[in-house]
Amino acid sequence: QVHLQQWGAGLLKASETLSLTCAVYDGSSRSYYWSWIRQSPGKGLEWIGEIDHNGETKYNPSLMSRVTMSVDLSQNHLSLSLTSVTAADTAFYYCAEHGSGGCFTVWGQGTMVTVS
Amino acid sequence: QSVLTQPPSVSGAPGQRVTMSCTGSSSNIGAGHEVHWYQELPGTPPKLLIYGNNNRPSGVPDRFSASKSGTSASLAITGLQAEDEADYYCQSYDNRLSGFVVFGGGTKLTVL
Repeated sequence: QVHLQQWGAGLLKASETLSLTCAVYDGSSRSYYWSWIRQSPGKGLEWIGEIDHNGETKYNPSLMSRVTMSVDLSQNHLSLSLTSVTAADTAFYYCAEHGSGGCFTVWGQGTMVTVS
Repeated sequence: QSVLTQPPSVSGAPGQRVTMSCTGSSSNIGAGHEVHWYQELPGTPPKLLIYGNNNRPSGVPDRFSASKSGTSASLAITGLQAEDEADYYCQSYDNRLSGFVVFGGGTKLTVL
């Protein structure tokens, strides 16, 4: 069973850079695609972007100017960077593993990021 | 403003059947992209409930079912239980720009 464990700074000031890491725990991951997804307080889910095992990325058009994702398979780590944050970026951030047809089968525990 | 439209809330009494809709357009659901559904309980990450329009992952009761037609999809829950009270989200893919994942705004299910 794949398990995703996230960590990163939870409190930022406006204009700073959000940085989160997601570790993929399993002897053999069943997927080669992962996404970052966020949920603002009281709001719905928003896809931030995806990355595959080769480091190929695709980002949400609304965020792509500020987002960078990377993968380090030697450490089974995924990383998310979001620059120039504002209060609108306050949200729970999740990493998730892709499954068949583009669904998200496994989710990290979530990291609450607050921008003051 | 979510790309996929879901009703903000639905409700039903224990034992009843409820349905909730997910309306998209010709660039996402109508383009043939699969629809997936998630259940989000308070304080927990979303859980995959239905994938590939109408398939249940192992462990999901058969009280949950879904369908898709045209530019819309629907989730049905029969034999409603108190533990089903949660937020439900639909998800698909959109062809516009370079293509991106889209979610509905979520539907809050209240078990009366």
